[in-house]
Amino acid sequence: EAGVAQSPRYKIIEKRQSVAFWCNPISGHATLYWYQQILGQGPKLLIQFQNNGVVDDSQLPKDRFSAERLKGVDSTLKIQPAKLEDSAVYLCASSPLDSDEQFFGPGTRLTVL
Amino acid sequence: GNSVTQMEGPVTLSEEAFLTINCTYTATGYPSLFWYVQYPGEGLQLLLKATKADDKGSNKGFEATYRKETTSFHLEKGSVQVSDSAVYFCALNALGYSSASKIIFGSGTRLSIRP
Repeated sequence: EAGVAQSPRYKIIEKRQSVAFWCNPISGHATLYWYQQILGQGPKLLIQFQNNGVVDDSQLPKDRFSAERLKGVDSTLKIQPAKLEDSAVYLCASSPLDSDEQFFGPGTRLTVL
Repeated sequence: GNSVTQMEGPVTLSEEAFLTINCTYTATGYPSLFWYVQYPGEGLQLLLKATKADDKGSNKGFEATYRKETTSFHLEKGSVQVSDSAVYFCALNALGYSSASKIIFGSGTRLSIRP
């Protein structure tokens, strides 16, 4: 079974630029999560989708971050414009309905200069 | 609110030493508890979990027991190997299987094993 796929793996941009990350969850998983993991910290949930609807986006900085999951499968997370403090690893995870286990992708490491 | 506190690292041990990584939690209700592991260059993987008080999760020689009375979920292994070098995250899911459930992670403990 293929795992959660993310791209790109690494991205370096300058502040005020825009960036987008892509995630393809495990086939059949209804729930998709985006996390931000700052160096030395645990992952922090940014947004949770169930199918193509948003379940929780309370910690998403909506002035600069946006995410969508069209057709309830893959998802994109965008930052526009980026700030220095956005430097982090962005993790995507998915889980089946009615499961408390999440499966994580390898992450995208973002460096904002 | 819900939170997880785990011992700070880095933790450095010699091969075959006994390992304990402490984790305590604060939560309303009866959360599920997890240990996730992140090997160098890889994504987070579920190591073990426990869903109710006194449950013991185990995997790859690691164990952790859900202690409601002390709100703890300490990770232990009797004899560590170099291949266990990784970052370990304690986590909880306070809302179970509901569609709104989400995992709250501790800050992680980096473990390094010397040959």
